[in-house]
Amino acid sequence: SQQGEEDPQALSIQEGENATMNCSYKTSINNLQWYRQNSGRGLVHLILIRSNEREKHSGRLRVTLDTSKKSSSLLITASRAADTASYFCATDAFIGGGGADGLTFGKGTHLIIQP
Amino acid sequence: DGGITQSPKYLFRKEGQNVTLSCEQNLNHDAMYWYRQDPGQGLRLIYYSQIVNDFQKGDIAEGYSVSREKKESFPLTVTSAQKNPTAFYLCASSIVQGVTEAFFGQGTRLTVV
Repeated sequence: SQQGEEDPQALSIQEGENATMNCSYKTSINNLQWYRQNSGRGLVHLILIRSNEREKHSGRLRVTLDTSKKSSSLLITASRAADTASYFCATDAFIGGGGADGLTFGKGTHLIIQP
Repeated sequence: DGGITQSPKYLFRKEGQNVTLSCEQNLNHDAMYWYRQDPGQGLRLIYYSQIVNDFQKGDIAEGYSVSREKKESFPLTVTSAQKNPTAFYLCASSIVQGVTEAFFGQGTRLTVV
């Protein structure tokens, strides 16, 4: 089952504008991560935010986490054409019994930056 | 250069055949993962391994098998029991399962012909 759910599914904005993507999840987590995927390629890690953190910055990226609402947002400021990609949130969800964990992903937000 | 390598990039299989996808990492990571991605969809976890000689089923393990005989290698076999194997397969590794960032290979696109 998918733990994270990104919103919107697709987003198209003009270059220079800010892009905001949201992620909701179902169960308690230790941390939440955001990844980027260019078409037909592997995923690239962007940022990790721990459950005891509320906000984190990395360059033009800003991530917030609200554990009471089980949600996170990714803000990309001053977008560029090269930011066009799919963005996924991932959580360390508990899978099955026995104490084993796995990293689970949402379906992603496809971001298009128009020049 | 350290990294995670998947091979081949493209793979074609006839119906009824088993096929093995390779995943090798030289990052000295303990945890490794296999995901399946269908067009326009997110990643679904097939199998993961926290340590050598140990692995666990993910959400969609049926029709797949793995082995973890070496820390560096986590091959995935798509068996004939997998009814809809055409997909993009991604391998990943991390220092510790779920706690740190995962590093991904470039993927293998499997097509059943």
